[in-house]
Amino acid sequence: EDQVTQSPEALRLQEGESSSLNCSYTVSGLRGLFWYRQDPGKGPEFLFTLYSAGEEKEKERLKATLTKKESFLHITAPKPEDSATYLCAPGGSQGNLIFGKGTKLSVKP
Amino acid sequence: DSGVTQTPKHLITATGQRVTLRCSPRSGDLSVYWYQQSLDQGLQFLIQYYNGEERAKGNILERFSAQQFPDLHSELNLSSLELGDSALYFCASSVERLPGPLHFGNGTRLTVT
Repeated sequence: EDQVTQSPEALRLQEGESSSLNCSYTVSGLRGLFWYRQDPGKGPEFLFTLYSAGEEKEKERLKATLTKKESFLHITAPKPEDSATYLCAPGGSQGNLIFGKGTKLSVKP
Repeated sequence: DSGVTQTPKHLITATGQRVTLRCSPRSGDLSVYWYQQSLDQGLQFLIQYYNGEERAKGNILERFSAQQFPDLHSELNLSSLELGDSALYFCASSVERLPGPLHFGNGTRLTVT
């Protein structure tokens, strides 16, 4: 059975304090690993797609990396506006994305 | 703005009733996905349509059904509603049939009383 686990469930950082979020997955026929950001009351917003182990993508203070079993979202010197829930979603062989429950990030000034 | 439009934004109804949620995908996108998000379950995949045809099915209850019309908009029908159906329902669209970046609408919040 396809499974996705994100850790930690919640993370509180001070502004400027870098950290990493983890996404562990077991998915047969993996077709890409997707990261999303979700703000309260809004739909998930696409951030990155990773397709192969060793691949990295960057966007502003965020960098996503991929191994065969895990993906990491590194946040460098975060700002309060980075506060959101970050969702990881491997693409399954059925043609859908399988979402983890997310990491809720709070960045305090 | 993702370009995906969902209506209505909020829906309050009673148990046993039937509702229809509507989704207009981004211009040019052929795939439409429906997801349910509740507090304890996260985003659960319900069903995918590609260019009018059903392509993949997730944990969609028999009381729920969906379709995609020739103009590519989609509707999700929920019937015999139960309290546990209260959730956020998201529609997403993408250009491709296979997994690619999905672009989500802002959802319909359904409350069943």
